[in-house]
Amino acid sequence: SYVLTQPPAVSVAPGQTARITCGANNIGSYSVHWYQQKPGQAPVLVVHDDRDRPSGIPERFTGSNSGNTATLTISRVEAGDEADYYCQVWERSTAARVFGTGTKVTVL
Amino acid sequence: QLQLVQSGPEVKKSGASVKVSCKPSGYTFTTYGISWVRQAPGQSLEWMGWISTNDGNTKYAQQLQGRVTLTTDKSTNTVYMELRSLRSDDTAVYYCARDYGIGRFYCDYWGQGTQVTVSS
Repeated sequence: SYVLTQPPAVSVAPGQTARITCGANNIGSYSVHWYQQKPGQAPVLVVHDDRDRPSGIPERFTGSNSGNTATLTISRVEAGDEADYYCQVWERSTAARVFGTGTKVTVL
Repeated sequence: QLQLVQSGPEVKKSGASVKVSCKPSGYTFTTYGISWVRQAPGQSLEWMGWISTNDGNTKYAQQLQGRVTLTTDKSTNTVYMELRSLRSDDTAVYYCARDYGIGRFYCDYWGQGTQVTVSS
């Protein structure tokens, strides 16, 4: 099965930029989606189709995807961005939705 | 407003079954399928399966095939997830989510989650 690998943790100071990677073989050929999950809450979609934001998601959240790595970038990080972040793709051969291992973002 | 409301927490014995409901509102029920995703304590998200709310067609995660069944009731606009032969490692929060994006599916709205605890 297709495995999406994320760094377990990323730390960033307020106002700085956080970059969260999602690595897999030829992930650039997939549409990648990103979710934010705060403790005790359901996930929230923050980026879909590599780089599109749902309404209500700040422009500080941007996505990119090429080769073997997709990236979620959070600019001008705020305390409220502290959460777990998951990437996800749809695997056509099995119709499965595959989630990444997750990254905990800590705002220092 | 668009929301998915799930049934309440469940505590089950090993070997038993659990059935969780999910009732979307705020959009036409049969337009979008529903995925089920679970999250064990401290773990990542695990996709369990998908159901078409239009015709009941289903897709299941390979590792749960044979133990999970998704059903839909168009008369009450409700989707159900049943998991059988429960084990301790089925203890998790179970989410339903609206499935969007033909050919590139993602979950754009999520239920609040249902805690299922399996005890021996």
